[in-house]
Amino acid sequence: GQNIDQPTEMTATEGAIVQINCTYQTSGFNGLFWYQQHAGEAPTFLSYNVLDGLEEKGRFSSFLSRSKGYSYLLLKELQMKDSASYLCAGRYGGATNKLIFGTGTLLAVQP
Amino acid sequence: SAVISQKPSRDICQRGTSLTIQCQVDSQVTMMFWYRQQPGQSLTLIATANQGSEATYESGFVIDKFPISRPNLTFSTLTVSNMSPEDSSIYLCSVADSSTGYTFGSGTRLTVV
Repeated sequence: GQNIDQPTEMTATEGAIVQINCTYQTSGFNGLFWYQQHAGEAPTFLSYNVLDGLEEKGRFSSFLSRSKGYSYLLLKELQMKDSASYLCAGRYGGATNKLIFGTGTLLAVQP
Repeated sequence: SAVISQKPSRDICQRGTSLTIQCQVDSQVTMMFWYRQQPGQSLTLIATANQGSEATYESGFVIDKFPISRPNLTFSTLTVSNMSPEDSSIYLCSVADSSTGYTFGSGTRLTVV
């Protein structure tokens, strides 16, 4: 398998910054996605990294290191509505380009 | 990005029966995928639905249990066969609608009693 790992749960305070880490197997890897999923809803796309470095999009940023098999999602100026699951997903494999998800991180934002 | 219509949104089924889930996409897409999300867990890829050929199943999933159809580039079905309570889950279809984007259907919440 592709063994994509992330912390199961995290807690942070409104207005603060939180970093959610993800490690993945590098064999066959060709891109890293982050999704947000609120309870009872489908995942929604947050970010995509294929090259090393930081991609910034508003309050959310995502970082990738291909050599280390490592990514993180950075959420700034946390809001209560950011309480959700954050899913790291790696794209793998040639013609099929299938998306394999990590275990997901449940983030709770507290007042 | 593509818009996916998935149905049913939820169902309660008797054990031993089968349920077919449909996904309709508003544009032609090469790749469609089916996922399972068990309560409190992340998404697990069941199979890739290929147009014009058999689906490609991931380890732990077999065609007899999860037959898939892909008659054209805008439609696919997943059947959950001979259901047991362990099949209670959310099933989602997904499409790769650009080089960077994967869109998901709204999901089918299945309860087997």
